[in-house]
Amino acid sequence: AQSVAQPEDQVNVAEGNPLTVKCTYSVSGNPYLFWYVQYPNRGLQFLLKYITGDNLVKGSYGFEAEFNKSQTSFHLKKPSALVSDSALYFCAVRRGNNRLAFGKGNQVVVIP
Amino acid sequence: DTEVTQTPKHLVMGMTNKKSLKCEQHMGHRAMYWYKQKAKKPPELMFVYSYEKLSINESVPSRFSPECPNSSLLNLHLHALQPEDSALYLCASSQGNLGDYEQYFGPGTRLTVT
Repeated sequence: AQSVAQPEDQVNVAEGNPLTVKCTYSVSGNPYLFWYVQYPNRGLQFLLKYITGDNLVKGSYGFEAEFNKSQTSFHLKKPSALVSDSALYFCAVRRGNNRLAFGKGNQVVVIP
Repeated sequence: DTEVTQTPKHLVMGMTNKKSLKCEQHMGHRAMYWYKQKAKKPPELMFVYSYEKLSINESVPSRFSPECPNSSLLNLHLHALQPEDSALYLCASSQGNLGDYEQYFGPGTRLTVT
């Protein structure tokens, strides 16, 4: 079954430091991978996706993610974190037509 | 316009009430979704409409009844809910099948069942 795992519950990072949110996947076949962010009292916002092609995917708000097939990972990164990046981040993988399997979510706290 | 709107923002209802949640998108998307989300948890898929036809029902109790009046609108009719149904209800849309296309989410309706 298609699934993703987000091993950490919370990521704390100082403002201005690099931010990494980890995601590993388990799929049969080629993975379709997504990152979404949820700010407090809001819906989810799409950040980026990997379907095929370049392993480094650039997305919204300065985020990027690197697809690593050998390590079955799709970590989300940002070179310099902002306080406004504090939010809940979800990794997801396509599971059949029109279904996503979400990870448990990572709370990111950026400390001023 | 990449916006999905949802009304109302907040809803408090008793267990004997009937209410409806409404979702609207004007992006020409042909797939629309209802999710239920508990605090700090990932969204749980409830229903999917594809080209205005119900294509997925994730074994949701019959007290939740979806409706897709047209390609832009999605409703969720609520009746005889239980306190455990209190959650954030999210609507989403996508241009086509997931994988090729990403989902756009609305801000949600915060539902409290008393």
